[in-house]
Amino acid sequence: EVQLVESGGDMVQPGRSLRLSCAALGFRFSSFEMIWVRQAPGKGLEWVSYISDTGATVHYADSVKDRFTISRDNARNSLFLYMNNLRAGDTAVYYCARVRAPWVGPDYWGQGTLVTVSS
Amino acid sequence: DIQMTQSPPSLSASVGDRVTITCRASQDINNYLAWFQQKPGKAPKSLIYAVSSLHIGVPSRFSGSGSGTDFTLTIRSLQPEDFATYYCQHYNNYPPTFGQGTKVEIK
Repeated sequence: EVQLVESGGDMVQPGRSLRLSCAALGFRFSSFEMIWVRQAPGKGLEWVSYISDTGATVHYADSVKDRFTISRDNARNSLFLYMNNLRAGDTAVYYCARVRAPWVGPDYWGQGTLVTVSS
Repeated sequence: DIQMTQSPPSLSASVGDRVTITCRASQDINNYLAWFQQKPGKAPKSLIYAVSSLHIGVPSRFSGSGSGTDFTLTIRSLQPEDFATYYCQHYNNYPPTFGQGTKVEIK
């Protein structure tokens, strides 16, 4: 059974950093592209970042470019999102999702982890 | 960036109704269009990819159609478990943007 389990969400002050993790279970993690999507309280879904299966290619939303870094450790079946210089606008539930194939998009989603940025 | 516009923002329907949600892209997205369902407090669930292909386990009462810039999600006979918010998303290029969502409520 495919499972994605996020962790690392917390309440932090503006300007601080945080690392989110996504543990992948039940599939060959190294064969799949992965993404992060976030959802601010009461708002819609916002795509945040993408990483290829090898980690060689990454993409970011303009809203997080130069502040967030996506990475993965295929040996440990884990996806990460390093978030620096956090702002109030980054407050959201962060979901990791598996990309089944480039022409399919995401198929499985984690349960999400809450990041709150507040002084 | 490609803008995705969903309509209506919300709708009220009864069990057994046929429901249609539309999604319009600001430019041709080459049929790289997905639909997701989200219930309150839960993660999104992937329903449809490539306009009309159902993910494994998605009931056949869900269907997608369209091409170019105009797309539709149809629920043939609304069931109690279908009351949720639905999002479209293009994945033609980066950033892959979502529509603003359509909330399907009980009439």
